[in-house]
Amino acid sequence: QVHLVESGGGVVQPGGSLRLSCAASGFTFNKYGIHWVRQAPGKGLEWVTFMRYDGGDKHYADSVKGRFTMSTDNSKNTLYLQMDSLSTEDTAVYYCANDQRGTIDHWGQGTLVTVSS
Amino acid sequence: DVVMTQSPLSLPVTLGQPASISCRSSQSLVYGDGNTYLTWFQQRPGQSPRRLIYKVSNRDSGVPDRFSGSGSGTDFTLKISRVEAEDVGIYYCMQGTHWSWTFGQGTKVEIK
Repeated sequence: QVHLVESGGGVVQPGGSLRLSCAASGFTFNKYGIHWVRQAPGKGLEWVTFMRYDGGDKHYADSVKGRFTMSTDNSKNTLYLQMDSLSTEDTAVYYCANDQRGTIDHWGQGTLVTVSS
Repeated sequence: DVVMTQSPLSLPVTLGQPASISCRSSQSLVYGDGNTYLTWFQQRPGQSPRRLIYKVSNRDSGVPDRFSGSGSGTDFTLKISRVEAEDVGIYYCMQGTHWSWTFGQGTKVEIK
């Protein structure tokens, strides 16, 4: 059973940084990859980024390109989302979600990131 | 980016009656391998999204058969044959054919 657990959310000031983690279990870690999808309060879903588990294929939404970076520690079955130069527009619940070639099949419970002074 | 447009954005439905949500993409979602990567998700209040349908019409395990997906190219539909109380929530379509992946705005289904 696929299980994804996000952590690392919190309150950060504009211009600050935060690193989110996504711990994965219950499936073959070296297959496909992980997406991050965010949801601002009361708003819809926004795809943010994708990385294949081996780190060989990465994609970023224009809204975060150059500011957000995905990485992986396969020994820990954990992926990371490093978020820099945060603005209030980045305030959202961040979900990690399992890629299944052209679709997402499982989601974590989400972690809330609040950018506020 | 591919724009996904859902309609309606709000859908009040009587229990036991059918419901239909449209999702249109600004480009064809047919991938080079011949598959169409159009997915439907349900998000109940306070919960993470849950996948219902993938590749246009494939229902996930455990999803009631009152949910069905159809369409091709740029025009897709999610149908609920008889709405039940547990179907209240927001429904999103998503395309996974073109980078960056994109979601529709969401359709809020509520009981009249």
